Amino acid sequence: AQSVTQLDSQVPVFEEAPVELRCNYSSSVSVYLFWYVQYPNQGLQLLLKYLSGSTLVESINGFEAEFNKSQTSFHLRKPSVHISDTAEYFCAVSVSGNQFYFGTGTSLTVIP
Amino acid sequence: KAGVTQTPRYLIKTRGQQVTLSCSPISGHRSVSWYQQTPGQGLQFLFEYFSETQRNKGNFPGRFSGRQFSNSRSEMNVSTLELGDSALYLCASSLRAGGANTEAFFGQGTRLTVV
Repeated sequence: AQSVTQLDSQVPVFEEAPVELRCNYSSSVSVYLFWYVQYPNQGLQLLLKYLSGSTLVESINGFEAEFNKSQTSFHLRKPSVHISDTAEYFCAVSVSGNQFYFGTGTSLTVIP
Repeated sequence: KAGVTQTPRYLIKTRGQQVTLSCSPISGHRSVSWYQQTPGQGLQFLFEYFSETQRNKGNFPGRFSGRQFSNSRSEMNVSTLELGDSALYLCASSLRAGGANTEAFFGQGTRLTVV
């Protein structure tokens, strides 16, 4: 079975400061890894994904995540956050198909 | 191209009633999956359909059911509603089931409130 742990339920950070949202997963098979973002009253939007190849993946809005197989982690980082980054962030794993296992989410609040 | 469309966006039902939610995937996508999102349980997988066949099912009671039509549109039904069924129900659309390019696109969800 697969499971995802997001260690921090809430992360407050000042604007322009760096941030790291932690994600660890457990799986007996190879998985695909994803970060999704959810704004209030909205669905989930894909932020970035790791399927294979380079362990460092980047999004178009400055986020990056690194797949660490030995530590079974996929932490999300951004060197300088903006007010608009305030949202709920979900880490997810998928073994195959359209079935995802989600973490409980991390609420990122950027403070002006 | 149009995204994933879920209808209705908001719904209020009474305990004991049943409800049907609809999801229209992105054109050309054949895989649809459903998730329940609640503050206490987070996002939980309900079921996945591909080419009108249920491929996977999460750990939910039989009151939760679904189906997929030949045009890939999907519906989920919840019978004998309970207060605990109040949640945001999200539908995800994917081009195919499985494979290295798996990426799901989510709709905005249907907010169901059971009173």
